[in-house]
Amino acid sequence: DTGVSQDPRHKITKRGQNVTFRCDPISEHNRLYWYRQTLGQGPEFLTYFQNEAQLEKSRLLSDRFSAERPKGSFSTLEIQRTEQGDSAMYLCASTGTGDEQYFGPGTRLTVT
Amino acid sequence: KQEVTQIPAALSVPEGENLVLNCSFTDSAIYNLQWFRQDPGKGLTSLLLIQSSQREQTSGRLNASLDKSSGRSTLYIAASQPGDSATYLCAVRRYNTDKLIFGTGTRLQVFP
Repeated sequence: DTGVSQDPRHKITKRGQNVTFRCDPISEHNRLYWYRQTLGQGPEFLTYFQNEAQLEKSRLLSDRFSAERPKGSFSTLEIQRTEQGDSAMYLCASTGTGDEQYFGPGTRLTVT
Repeated sequence: KQEVTQIPAALSVPEGENLVLNCSFTDSAIYNLQWFRQDPGKGLTSLLLIQSSQREQTSGRLNASLDKSSGRSTLYIAASQPGDSATYLCAVRRYNTDKLIFGTGTRLQVFP
């Protein structure tokens, strides 16, 4: 069990560019979550998958954000036409048969 | 709307002290509550999960209690050490959803 992994760990992009992040959950965890955290705040929920089905999306997830989990394993989060307000830490978590959510190291996005 | 508050926002104590961190939530109809630790610039590490039917959970020097009726949880850290320095976050999960709602955290510093 290697834990939840995220790639890249850091991303710097210019406003208006598209970015994509990847999350690999703990093996055999069927539920996967994306959260966003800004400085000094707790994480805020973005979306959640059970296997390949996206079951819940936050209103924070504007139409510039899209997430996929095509084969029920890894997931990607894409942000189109990035804005400076998108700068944050993007966290991925997964859960198996229990209720405990296990988090990855996060991807820090800086939009210049 | 569920809101989670953590008091104090920051705490600085000498090594060896016993500590109590507080978490309160506005809607008592929670499914579970999870405590996390976050080191600067890092992801979240799960510390303890308390189901709504439980009153407390213990792991080593950590003890978390839950009082649903009053909307409160406390995290007790015994014999604090400099390595305990981090931000501690609590998060609640309501019924019929998997998303966690986080507080803003308590930033703890334990000095030698």
